[in-house]
Amino acid sequence: AQSVAQPEDQVNVAEGNPLTVKCTYSVSGNPYLFWYVQYPNRGLQFLLKYITGDNLVKGSYGFEAEFNKSQTSFHLKKPSALVSDSALYFCAVRDMGGGSYIPTFGRGTSLIVHP
Amino acid sequence: DTEVTQTPKHLVMGMTNKKSLKCEQHMGHRAMYWYKQKAKKPPELMFVYSYEKLSINESVPSRFSPECPNSSLLNLHLHALQPEDSALYLCASSQDPASTDTQYFGPGTRLTVL
Repeated sequence: AQSVAQPEDQVNVAEGNPLTVKCTYSVSGNPYLFWYVQYPNRGLQFLLKYITGDNLVKGSYGFEAEFNKSQTSFHLKKPSALVSDSALYFCAVRDMGGGSYIPTFGRGTSLIVHP
Repeated sequence: DTEVTQTPKHLVMGMTNKKSLKCEQHMGHRAMYWYKQKAKKPPELMFVYSYEKLSINESVPSRFSPECPNSSLLNLHLHALQPEDSALYLCASSQDPASTDTQYFGPGTRLTVL
């Protein structure tokens, strides 16, 4: 079985400060992990993914995420937040150890960047 | 080009109407998906088409009827919907359902059922 948790409903950060949006996962095999962003009344936009290799993954719009196998986490980070980063962020996981090939999405974290 | 297009952007329909949502992609993807999303919630999977055949139906009521006329097109036919069906309907596609490929989402159709 595969599952993903986003423990924070909302994250508030001041513009220019670093941001972190948390994600933890549970799979029986190897995880494929994804981050998506959704702006109001829009579809989900792909940010980045981890399949294998380097634990630090760089993605669109200056975002990056760090895969930590021992902590089963895949937190999304950005060194300096912009007001335009305010949006809803979804983490998703696929279990390549025999689980569903359909990604399971977390509940979403609303990121609010204050000017 | 990683674009998935959806029409219409907005749709208002009565409970006795019949309408259709359309999704199109020209990336050569062989897996296409319909999701339903309520406000500030994650998308909920409804249907998956793999190589133009329905492979997953997540126990969706029969008032929603999917169709995949060809590898680039996905339709969702709506009939006798309920007000609680009002939501954002998202289409997505990926190269192959069993691969590591990313799902790419369209902008969605905002459906309101009166």
